[in-house]
Amino acid sequence: KAGVTQTPRYLIKTRGQQVTLSCSPISGHRSVSWYQQTPGQGLQFLFEYFSETQRNKGNFPGRFSGRQFSNSRSEMNVSTLELGDSALYLCASSLVEVTTNTGELFFGEGSRLTVL
Amino acid sequence: DAKTTQPTSMDCAEGRAANLPCNHSTISGNEYVYWYRQIHSQGPQYIIHGLKNNETNEMASLIITEDRKSSTLILPHATLRDTAVYYCIVLAGKLIFGQGTTLQVKP
Repeated sequence: KAGVTQTPRYLIKTRGQQVTLSCSPISGHRSVSWYQQTPGQGLQFLFEYFSETQRNKGNFPGRFSGRQFSNSRSEMNVSTLELGDSALYLCASSLVEVTTNTGELFFGEGSRLTVL
Repeated sequence: DAKTTQPTSMDCAEGRAANLPCNHSTISGNEYVYWYRQIHSQGPQYIIHGLKNNETNEMASLIITEDRKSSTLILPHATLRDTAVYYCIVLAGKLIFGQGTTLQVKP
């Protein structure tokens, strides 16, 4: 079956702009979580959505937001981009909520954002 | 706020077992230990997870100490394709990735 699909794979933006990233989970998966990966901070949890509701959130400013649609596809948005937002943004899907301890995450290849 | 401690890097000879340690001394009774790995330029890949008992699957074995304060991931016959960053994670409502262990498998 198809894996987790993230689009776009690469993008370049300038400071102050906003960006929207998309994630299509594995068919049947209802949980989508997002992570930011940078060389300095490593992999950091952004938020998790399950059945269109945000279930958990990491320590990121309000400029980072997300949503999930009824077909489980998810988008994340970053407004007023800063240079430090340059990173690989990874999306992961799971059958169940991550908090239930019974699911493994399947990651996409990521969207690499460069902010100039 | 990673709840785990791992060595920064390790080497392993191809064909030998790779034993990757992880300390999680503050783990709570109902928190699972998960292992993922990330091969360069790819998204992390799930390996295995456990609560109390040792676990084995087609990829690896997970040995958890009786007091649950540490665990070891074992790759029984490491290959060059196992070269990756390995993350040990305690699931506490969300997956908090630490810095991981960079495993270099050498021929």
